[in-house]
Amino acid sequence: NAGVTQTPKFQVLKTGQSMTLQCAQDMNHNSMYWYRQDPGMGLRLIYYSASEGTTDKGEVPNGYNVSRLNKREFSLRLESAAPSQTSVYFCASSEPPREAFFGQGTRLTVV
Amino acid sequence: DQQVKQNSPSLSVQEGRISILNCDYTNSMFDYFLWYKKYPAEGPTFLISISSIKDKNEDGRFTVFLNKSAKHLSLHIVPSQPGDSAVYFCAAWAYNTDKLIFGTGTRLQVFP
Repeated sequence: NAGVTQTPKFQVLKTGQSMTLQCAQDMNHNSMYWYRQDPGMGLRLIYYSASEGTTDKGEVPNGYNVSRLNKREFSLRLESAAPSQTSVYFCASSEPPREAFFGQGTRLTVV
Repeated sequence: DQQVKQNSPSLSVQEGRISILNCDYTNSMFDYFLWYKKYPAEGPTFLISISSIKDKNEDGRFTVFLNKSAKHLSLHIVPSQPGDSAVYFCAAWAYNTDKLIFGTGTRLQVFP
């Protein structure tokens, strides 16, 4: 029973490089989310997807793109990484307004 | 503009005593509230929730209180245990949306 699986767990990027964070859930949830966690800032919503084929901006979408590939998978892309994007990224899924289930996180460092 | 605020970054409580974590919100469209617990290097895990039609929900040692007029909720942990030491986030769903908005978190330390 995997729940929400994120890959990779750790990543170091150089400024300007691109990468995609992958997320998959096996709970048949319609809604999926990407958050970033920074010291003193809590968990901030980057993008979310209410259903397959739809995506919406959250609180801090600049510098990111997302793709809801199918019901299970929701990816987050950094086209040109910046040091300000150094953070821990969490993917989550839910059937609102029930509780959301989170992955283990991806620790990203941009140098 | 932080819609969900936890004004205490940290809280230290002796084992066996009550821990009270507070959360304030500004958006009157929020109608369902949740508390999450997070250990280092792990994802947040759900703890307890409350609907806006209630003012209290209890689950074992954890009780959440909601004061809608004050736009305030609190989490009470009684008795506190060392294993409760973690960061606690409150979160809110807005009515008729799929956005789940989190607060800034409170680090709870329970000491013997």
